[in-house]
Amino acid sequence: DADVTQTPRNRITKTGKRIMLECSQTKGHDRMYWYRQDPGLGLRLIYYSFDVKDINKGEISDGYSVSRQAQAKFSLSLESAIPNQTALYFCATSDPDRDENIQYFGAGTRLSVL
Amino acid sequence: QKEVEQDPGPLSVPEGAIVSLNCTYSNSAFQYFMWYRQYSRKGPELLMYTYSSGNKEDGRFTAQVDKSSKYISLFIRDSQPSDSATYLCAMTGTASKLTFGTGTRLQVTL
Repeated sequence: DADVTQTPRNRITKTGKRIMLECSQTKGHDRMYWYRQDPGLGLRLIYYSFDVKDINKGEISDGYSVSRQAQAKFSLSLESAIPNQTALYFCATSDPDRDENIQYFGAGTRLSVL
Repeated sequence: QKEVEQDPGPLSVPEGAIVSLNCTYSNSAFQYFMWYRQYSRKGPELLMYTYSSGNKEDGRFTAQVDKSSKYISLFIRDSQPSDSATYLCAMTGTASKLTFGTGTRLQVTL
């Protein structure tokens, strides 16, 4: 089983719909991250969480919200999806007790907003 | 100007070739440098990790960092078809927030 699991793997939705992407991890890491990946733009940080009570905005947080339900779970929500949120979304984790700079990624969620 | 610049490719080489992948950056605070490999429909996975300037070798892979020139490289010797992937450079100064390059797509042909 994957250490960092993202669900769903693929999702097609319509403009204006609310959608939630979920991430769970079995690595026991405190830190979790949400990125989106777009051609020509690379990976950009949306939100990150250093623990359950510490959530921070990344460089492109507008239009997104997150919830850290437990150490192992970090969800990303699009309250009202728009077409330019079509992208590949990745969750990642890191362990500050070992090396906070090494991030472990899930397999990604491919989201299409029509 | 982006903080990290990376040639997007695609780069196509024959099997057995030496591959050179590069990134330049502008932020002098970056001290930790990484290369991630991303196969199609997969998440990035860490390939090489270096601190400050210098070289690091791991099998067929060598990572080089030149902080004075703000330039990092990944060399792949004896490239194999299984090396076909997108290679992302990443770097950070503090607080585990990584800045990524856009990725270079590599195709190794038989």
